[in-house]
Amino acid sequence: DIQMTQSPSSLSASVGDRVTITCRASQNIDFYLNWYQQKPGTAPKFLINTASTLQSGVPSRFSGSGSGTEFTLTISSLQPEDFATYYCQQTYSHFVTFGQGTKVEIK
Amino acid sequence: QVQLAQSGAEVKKPGASVKVSCKASGYTFTDYSIHWVRQAPGQGLEWMGWINPDSGGARYAQKFQGWATLSRDTSSRTAYMEVNRLGSDDTAVYYCARDHCRGGVCYTMDVWGQGTTITVSS
Repeated sequence: DIQMTQSPSSLSASVGDRVTITCRASQNIDFYLNWYQQKPGTAPKFLINTASTLQSGVPSRFSGSGSGTEFTLTISSLQPEDFATYYCQQTYSHFVTFGQGTKVEIK
Repeated sequence: QVQLAQSGAEVKKPGASVKVSCKASGYTFTDYSIHWVRQAPGQGLEWMGWINPDSGGARYAQKFQGWATLSRDTSSRTAYMEVNRLGSDDTAVYYCARDHCRGGVCYTMDVWGQGTTITVSS
């Protein structure tokens, strides 16, 4: 299976901060990388697919980039509703795998 | 709007089986595959497999092959996930999620059910 490693595992940030989360794949996955947001007690929410395509309704402060083995999710100006856990997911292999998650907490 | 509504929480004893349902609404059920993902307490997301509601064909992650069974009932627009021989490490929230791609499977999950908590305890 393709291993997905996110860093950091957690971070503390303030409202208005720029936040960047990194996701690394154990092999080349081209641009087959998605991002999800999960708040406590709720199901994940689909944010970005194919590394950089923002889903309808997702605020433009979210952006994704990267290809191959290294990808980033950036929140340009953190808002109170953005405090959550973020997961990357590769869909290059038909046996999909997720990163372990990055928890974004309030500083 | 597009929704997936899952069955309620269950408590099971070790060795028991459980069947979770996922009822679709707001779209043509047979047009989009359904994935199942589980999340143990405090842990990350683990993909279990997917089912094509049109053909009934399913594919499983290696870990769940032979243990989980995915099925569907097109008349009621409902997908099912059944697991056998539950152990304490199967305690988790089990989610169904719709595939993003119509008529195929792209492994991107755009709409999720609310989750079903399965607790395995003696």
